[in-house]
Amino acid sequence: QQQVKQSPQSLIVQKGGISIINCAYENTAFDYFPWYQQFPGKGPALLIAIRPDVSEKKEGRFTISFNKSAKQFSLHIMDSQPGDSATYFCAARLYSVAGGTSYGKLTFGQGTILTVHP
Amino acid sequence: DGGITQSPKYLFRKEGQNVTLSCEQNLNHDAMYWYRQDPGQGLRLIYYSQIVNDFQKGDIAEGYSVSREKKESFPLTVTSAQKNPTAFYLCASSLFDGPLGEKLFFGSGTQLSVL
Repeated sequence: QQQVKQSPQSLIVQKGGISIINCAYENTAFDYFPWYQQFPGKGPALLIAIRPDVSEKKEGRFTISFNKSAKQFSLHIMDSQPGDSATYFCAARLYSVAGGTSYGKLTFGQGTILTVHP
Repeated sequence: DGGITQSPKYLFRKEGQNVTLSCEQNLNHDAMYWYRQDPGQGLRLIYYSQIVNDFQKGDIAEGYSVSREKKESFPLTVTSAQKNPTAFYLCASSLFDGPLGEKLFFGSGTQLSVL
């Protein structure tokens, strides 16, 4: 119920091409779906995020597509550049309120290593 | 500069030894987290703390311990009970925005290896 499955494990794209990374989840209680980008030797950084009441969100060359009925969401990188080469993680959040305190807990996918060739 | 500082960047552990990874943040965030990263397995939650003097086990807490005596600090101890400690450890804090979402800020990580 807590798992988020991400594919592919690795992806090679030519410069200018479209990179597509997919994630699937089971728990319908997840309420927030971010994507993180990680460069080697660094911590991940938030790239873009979406809530389940929206089917698509675009920020520059990055777009999240969300299919609530299929419990799937994907990251599309348009006009991929060598500088986009990194590991990408999808995640899903459980939002809870307990004892008067609200908090969230993220579950991450396994990660996708993207390589963009010049 | 605001952010999360992890130290050391590289750490080596001998058999039977406990080691402590440091994590400090000056973002004034209430929540802090420890994740373990292994190749092909993504980020797995070890412990998290929503408030000072309180913390909860994550998905893989066995062999680890934490403390949260100050808002700014959330050290992680890898005990000798953790039989496979070699991994990249990431500390994070979060800006919790309730129903609107949540943004994690990560440190640069500590690579722990066993001698």
